[in-house]
Amino acid sequence: AQSVAQPEDQVNVAEGNPLTVKCTYSVSGNPYLFWYVQYPNRGLQFLLKYITGDNLVKGSYGFEAEFNKSQTSFHLKKPSALVSDSALYFCAVRERDYKLSFGAGTTVTVRA
Amino acid sequence: DGGITQSPKYLFRKEGQNVTLSCEQNLNHDAMYWYRQDPGQGLRLIYYSQIVNDFQKGDIAEGYSVSREKKESFPLTVTSAQKNPTAFYLCATMTGDGYTFGSGTRLTVV
Repeated sequence: AQSVAQPEDQVNVAEGNPLTVKCTYSVSGNPYLFWYVQYPNRGLQFLLKYITGDNLVKGSYGFEAEFNKSQTSFHLKKPSALVSDSALYFCAVRERDYKLSFGAGTTVTVRA
Repeated sequence: DGGITQSPKYLFRKEGQNVTLSCEQNLNHDAMYWYRQDPGQGLRLIYYSQIVNDFQKGDIAEGYSVSREKKESFPLTVTSAQKNPTAFYLCATMTGDGYTFGSGTRLTVV
């Protein structure tokens, strides 16, 4: 069974509008959760992580994510999207042996 | 990308040929990982190593081999047994809670 699910293949928003990219997880215990962004033909860039503490995590480039234990979710959010936010976004969870399991990815397109 | 060098950036393989992808890091991280990326499938773990001279299979190790003779280096060989090697390959390191990725190698079978 997949440990991380990203239910949307694509998200389209207008510039200036709020952006949400959804992620749910299914590991037991206290999860270590991550969001990464990927631009074409590039490696993954770290956005933010949740280890413990506040459920609202702030990260790079104005992104934040909300950890919700009861809904087993870790949605990525940005209050006002930019055209330059258009990219592929991955949610990931750390498994045992410190391995990362990734969701299938969500392509975000922000139109001007 | 953050102290990890993957080479080459693009690689072409003929049918039945073995090829080796390089991953070098100067971050002094113990753990290193190889992932394969295919469109719509996210990243899948091929092999990982938590210490020199030791490595473990990931979810899709068949047709691949690795070595970890030095802390800085974790090369991946795509053998002729890998029937569908065309993909984007990413190397990563881990320390504490953080993971760092290289810029990737795109392998194409010709």
